[in-house]
Amino acid sequence: QKEVEQNSGPLSVPEGAIASLNCTYSDRVSQSFFWYRQYSGKSPELIMSIYSNGDKEDGRFTAQLNKASQYVSLLIRDSQPSDSATYLCAVRGYNFNKFYFGSGTKLNVKP
Amino acid sequence: EAGVTQFPSHSVIEKGQTVTLRCDPISGHDNLYWYRRVMGKEIKFLLHFVKESKQDESGMPNNRFLAERTGGTYSTLKVQPAELEDSGVYFCASSQDTARGLTQYFGPGTRLTVL
Repeated sequence: QKEVEQNSGPLSVPEGAIASLNCTYSDRVSQSFFWYRQYSGKSPELIMSIYSNGDKEDGRFTAQLNKASQYVSLLIRDSQPSDSATYLCAVRGYNFNKFYFGSGTKLNVKP
Repeated sequence: EAGVTQFPSHSVIEKGQTVTLRCDPISGHDNLYWYRRVMGKEIKFLLHFVKESKQDESGMPNNRFLAERTGGTYSTLKVQPAELEDSGVYFCASSQDTARGLTQYFGPGTRLTVL
């Protein structure tokens, strides 16, 4: 079983719509959760971090965490074509040294 | 502030050769990490330095891989001898410390192709 699971996509949404990206993790003691955006050929760029159950909003982005269900999501409101990228879910567990990454979900926002 | 830099951006070598990848972390970041992404797979942890010390090298695939961070500044990752399955993108990341609230910042990666 993979530590972090994501649907590989592609997820296609029209411009202006809400994009919903989901991630599940296997280690119940995981402490910190991150969403990275990666454009093709570029490095992962941090979008959001979340540590407590509930929602965390930053501009058009909202991260949601449910530790009981071991589930993290990222909502992108008013999606723009520039949001088209691969979104990586990363989880840092009890051992703070390591991030465990999902394989990423490719998002396409169509004009 | 300069980000994490990596050199080279691409490397193409033949099986059996040696390659050395370099990572320069963000200035002041004591923690340096190496990750690898093999095509079609997720990014996987290789090892973690705190200053010049290896904190965790549990992700290193085998003894053909050697990482160093002399002086606690830049780091090198040497693959000797390289095998076909070593092809992938090698990312370096750095962070100020491992406290829960701080994250890892990634470099652009080195794409290694072993022929």
